[in-house]
Amino acid sequence: GAGVSQTPSNKVTEKGKYVELRCDPISGHTALYWYRQSLGQGPEFLIYFQGTGAADDSGLPNDRFFAVRPEGSVSTLKIQRTERGDSAVYLCASSSQGGAGGYTFGSGTRLTVV
Amino acid sequence: ILNVEQSPQSLHVQEGDSTNFTCSFPSSNFYALHWYRWETAKSPEALFVMTLNGDEKKKGRISATLNTKEGYSYLYIKGSQPEDSATYLCAFPRAGNMLTFGGGTRLMVKP
Repeated sequence: GAGVSQTPSNKVTEKGKYVELRCDPISGHTALYWYRQSLGQGPEFLIYFQGTGAADDSGLPNDRFFAVRPEGSVSTLKIQRTERGDSAVYLCASSSQGGAGGYTFGSGTRLTVV
Repeated sequence: ILNVEQSPQSLHVQEGDSTNFTCSFPSSNFYALHWYRWETAKSPEALFVMTLNGDEKKKGRISATLNTKEGYSYLYIKGSQPEDSATYLCAFPRAGNMLTFGGGTRLMVKP
């Protein structure tokens, strides 16, 4: 596609429920990143995929968070037993170069846990 | 732990004012510094990728400078317009090319 697509754009869920957030990167971009932006803060790194594998998941806050990218393209971020503190904007970015190259971000999924 | 800090946190200016904000980052093992503009409900938009000490880049009314030895970058907006209202983020790549972001500067330009 022309850009990075994230769905849904908004998600309201009840505390304790399971949610899935989807990211469709730019075709051909091998690197995919998930970030989380909480109110008043900059985006924080969650997980990085190179192809199908998670190259670095050190930013995932706990084992309720999991992400997959089974075919090296679309990625799904999964959150189990959601808590109110999980409320944030979840951003996805893809890159063919990384580092000094460019990252293209999606417009994010705003997750609200009530 | 990488600390990327931005100041001020927020800024209110009148249309036509010029403004600037600061990003400070670790000066050791410098690779690149990214600036993004992020409008509400939209994707963060890349403004600049800066790599060389003394770099100065310009895009329309927006420009940025880089000092890698002292670990700071300035973003300048000349003649601010209401459409410049956004959060401006700087980010520092680290191992694996993940970006460490500053907290952002939220700019509001009043007509």
